[in-house]
Amino acid sequence: AQKVTQAQTEISVVEKEDVTLDCVYETRDTTYYLFWYKQPPSGELVFLIRRNSFDEQNEISGRYSWNFQKSTSSFNFTITASQVVDSAVYFCALSPLNSGGSNYKLTFGKGTLLTVNP
Amino acid sequence: EPEVTQTPSHQVTQMGQEVILRCVPISNHLYFYWYRQILGQKVEFLVSFYNNEISEKSEIFDDQFSVERPDGSNFTLKIRSTKLEDSAMYFCASSAQGYGYTFGSGTRLTVV
Repeated sequence: AQKVTQAQTEISVVEKEDVTLDCVYETRDTTYYLFWYKQPPSGELVFLIRRNSFDEQNEISGRYSWNFQKSTSSFNFTITASQVVDSAVYFCALSPLNSGGSNYKLTFGKGTLLTVNP
Repeated sequence: EPEVTQTPSHQVTQMGQEVILRCVPISNHLYFYWYRQILGQKVEFLVSFYNNEISEKSEIFDDQFSVERPDGSNFTLKIRSTKLEDSAMYFCASSAQGYGYTFGSGTRLTVV
């Protein structure tokens, strides 16, 4: 069974602060994908990143960075110099990398509500 | 950029009524999914569909639910007799390779 834990239910920061959202996962699969999605108040799911279990290199995209550590089963997400527009619910998710071709279902964490105050 | 289109964006229905939620996946995609998100909760897998059949369904996806790809472009989720607890946001997703989803913007279903 797969499980994703986002222990932080809510985080509140002031604009320009850095913030890290934690994600810990459990899986018996040896190969898998990890994802982060953003859900703004409008409700849609916005894809942010996909990483496969082979690649533990950290990634940076503008103000966003991700730290994947297989040894601790964590895939944390940092927003540098946060902005009000970053306010949203952020979900971490996990899927098999090779399921035999028919199903790559995503298992989501419960999400972290980030509020960035001006 | 190609999109997954869901209609309607919001549907209100009476308890016990049937509803059909519609999705138009990206045209060359082969894998299709429905997910559900009860307000304030996490997104949960309902069902996956590949090669014209269900490949996996969750325990939520009971006999009240069904999926169809009736005409090669639409992908529908039917709830036969809605209950109050079916009120949620329903997301359709499609994928070319299985992973790397594109989600639709969701249909908010309210059962009264």
